[in-house]
Amino acid sequence: QQQVKQSPQSLIVQKGGISIINCAYENTAFDYFPWYQQFPGKGPALLIAIRPDVSEKKEGRFTISFNKSAKQFSLHIMDSQPGDSATYFCAAKNSGGYQKVTFGIGTKLQVIP
Amino acid sequence: NAGVTQTPKFRVLKTGQSMTLLCAQDMNHEYMYWYRQDPGMGLRLIHYSVGEGTTAKGEVPDGYNVSRLKKQNFLLGLESAAPSQTSVYFCASSAPGQGKYEQFFGPGTRLTVL
Repeated sequence: QQQVKQSPQSLIVQKGGISIINCAYENTAFDYFPWYQQFPGKGPALLIAIRPDVSEKKEGRFTISFNKSAKQFSLHIMDSQPGDSATYFCAAKNSGGYQKVTFGIGTKLQVIP
Repeated sequence: NAGVTQTPKFRVLKTGQSMTLLCAQDMNHEYMYWYRQDPGMGLRLIHYSVGEGTTAKGEVPDGYNVSRLKKQNFLLGLESAAPSQTSVYFCASSAPGQGKYEQFFGPGTRLTVL
């Protein structure tokens, strides 16, 4: 059972375009929503994160949009660059227990010149 | 700071062989995790530890064992490797007790079981 559903699995965007990756969740106990970026041959690294009391967070060209009522959140990459080519994982942290983080299946982004 | 390191980087095993993957972190993090990454499956939690001397099962623990004898180290063992365990394994650490939820990942170990 996939608790965090991520789409699309792969995405090709032209340089300068907008990349959009979507995630949806069901568990209302999630209280922290990070996005991780993974380059080939490397481990994932935190890119940007948001809490559910905020509808949008922007860091440079990267923006998270969060819709609490719809239980959806998305990553927008503005002015996409070839250096953004990587796999992106959305995730959600549980507020209880050991604060487990559940990851989406990942989106492989390719930005073509 | 080296962050999170993993040993080895690559390994090829035959079915039935055993091995241990070592993870070390120098950030004094309480929590450590072992994940496996497979195409189309994302990152799946194998085992985790919330402190020295403690371990717990994650989503896919079968066929693996772990130990956390020292705070900075987290070992993942495969007692009898199977081809289904061919994967890339990532170790991570975090400090949620300090309100810091970011997980820091190692570079991964690519394991092939023939």
